[in-house]
Formats: sequence, C-alpha cells, structure tokens
Amino acid sequence: DTGVSQDPRHKITKRGQNVTFRCDPISEHNRLYWYRQTLGQGPEFLTYFQNEAQLEKSRLLSDRFSAERPKGSFSTLEIQRTEQGDSAMYLCASSAHPTGNQPQHFGDGTRLSIL
Amino acid sequence: KQEVTQIPAALSVPEGENLVLNCSFTDSAIYNLQWFRQDPGKGLTSLLLIQSSQREQTSGRLNASLDKSSGRSTLYIAASQPGDSATYLCAVRSGGGADGLTFGKGTHLIIQP
Repeated sequence: DTGVSQDPRHKITKRGQNVTFRCDPISEHNRLYWYRQTLGQGPEFLTYFQNEAQLEKSRLLSDRFSAERPKGSFSTLEIQRTEQGDSAMYLCASSAHPTGNQPQHFGDGTRLSIL
Repeated sequence: KQEVTQIPAALSVPEGENLVLNCSFTDSAIYNLQWFRQDPGKGLTSLLLIQSSQREQTSGRLNASLDKSSGRSTLYIAASQPGDSATYLCAVRSGGGADGLTFGKGTHLIIQP
C-alpha cells in the first residue's frame, strides 16, 4: 500500500500526559500536512512541511504542540500536557511538488481520546 | 479569512437519483478546490481537484464545477448508489502563500436502497 500511513489509529490517554503521533507520507511527496478534526466539523489546518522545513503554522497550534520532519520523510506530531479539548481526529496528508497545485492525499488519522 | 460553507448539511435520497451538493467560499482568490469523501471513522478520500483556471472536472459518475468569481462549486453525482453514502467535504487552497486547505463542515449523504 503506497498511501499515507498514520500510527497509532487510536490513542487513549489521561489528561496531562504527552502523546506522539507518526505519519508516513506517500513516497516522493515532499509536502506533508497536519490537520485536526472534531466531531461534526471539517478538518482544520495545523501545520505543513516542505521536505524538512516547517513552512506554516496555524494559530491553532499552541505551544503545547510540536511537529517535526527530521529527514524530510516521516513526520511526528507531539502534544504535551494534553487537555480535554485536544480530543479529536488528527489527520496527516501529503502532496507532490513542484507546482504546489497538487491534490492532498490523506491518511486514516489518529483518534485521540483524553480521559 | 477564507470561510467555506456547504449546503445542505444532510441529504437523504432514494437510490438512482441524480443529486447536487453545494459549496461556497468567501475569498475568490484561490489556487484550487478539492472535493473529498469521508466514511465514518476514516480519513478523507480525494475525489476531484479543480484548478482555479478550470471550470469543471469529471470522474466517472462525479462532476464538479467551479465558478471562482461567484465563489461557488457544485458536486454532481449521477445515478446515486447506496455505496455513495458518506460525508462529502469541499476544501479550498487559498492564495497569498497559505498552503493549508480550508474545509467546509461537509454534507452527510444517505442513499436509500
């Protein structure tokens, strides 16, 4: 399967704990995006990378959130000191460049539940 | 700030009907518009991408149109089938250097057998 892969699919944790999610994009896609989706809403953009460079961050990305893409391949999204409001589906997408006008392809997401 | 609205929020029709889903956006300076399908508990499946210079795109029973100047897009589904039941999301990539997509809340579609 050459689609976008996300791990884990589900994560349940207690409030205050740190969590980390991983995303493996489609091979040779140099743009990688993170979104958050809550129930009944469309996804909301968090941040994106072109290769290893983080080029854009949404205001939704508080200082408790950090994303990395160290070698321009897979990416991780870490949430520190989780809060109830962090419960959501975290979606990763990738797209090809250079034109930048390419479709974004999404993974199946990581569903985070904060107890 | 770009805002995307989808109408209706929910739609239930008998199998075999043709139907239209609507999407509107407030800022017409977009690079492209993408339609997605989302099944319960799953990620998004890309259906069609329309570049800002294009008027429509077709894939099988799906046809998407774009009227950039009026800030509108429609997704036409021909001869609907129960397997088309899902939430359909519209998203725009705005200009001005922003690369993230702005999504509507989706249309929840049920096709009755």
